[in-house]
Amino acid sequence: EDKVVQSPLSLVVHEGDTVTLNCSYEVTNFRSLLWYKQEKKAPTFLFMLTSSGIEKKSGRLSSILDKKELFSILNITATQTGDSAIYLCAVIVQAGTALIFGKGTTLSVSS
Amino acid sequence: DAGVIQSPRHEVTEMGQEVTLRCKPISGHNSLFWYRQTMMRGLELLIYFNNNVPIDDSGMPEDRFSAKMPNASFSTLKIQPSEPRDSAVYFCASSSQTGGEQYFGPGTRLTVT
Repeated sequence: EDKVVQSPLSLVVHEGDTVTLNCSYEVTNFRSLLWYKQEKKAPTFLFMLTSSGIEKKSGRLSSILDKKELFSILNITATQTGDSAIYLCAVIVQAGTALIFGKGTTLSVSS
Repeated sequence: DAGVIQSPRHEVTEMGQEVTLRCKPISGHNSLFWYRQTMMRGLELLIYFNNNVPIDDSGMPEDRFSAKMPNASFSTLKIQPSEPRDSAVYFCASSSQTGGEQYFGPGTRLTVT
């Protein structure tokens, strides 16, 4: 059975800290891995990773995929209270198919 | 672009009643997905369509759940009869057929009493 596992389940940090969120997967026919941020509403797209070793960056957020070890990390540097959210990792096993989601990591950033 | 549109945003109903959730995907997107999110189980896929055709409904919990996509711009998810354990946030998402990114609607928060 395909599965996506995220760790830690929750994390509390202070503003300015750097955090690393983990996502490991066991799936057949891996195609892409995606990161989403969910605040109080719907998940919003952050990154899509398809190739190993290529870092994607957007401001203070960055992510990288390791297809050999079957995991990805999401880094957030200089965290702000606005980064508080649930971060979801999801995998696509074939184009045009549904996402398989992990349970998410709840990040709380205190001021 | 207005993004994925869902209605209603909130629904409160009594056990046994029929509930219909609606979704309008982003124009031009060929794939549409229905997800359910609860604290216990996280985000779960219920069903998805490619080009209006249901592809995988293995996530639909029971025969009480049904989904249709009569055209490229509209889909419904129906629960009949509803039960308290159906209480959850139901998300609709769409994507272009060859892409991987899915764009989520705002969700419908369903409460069945």
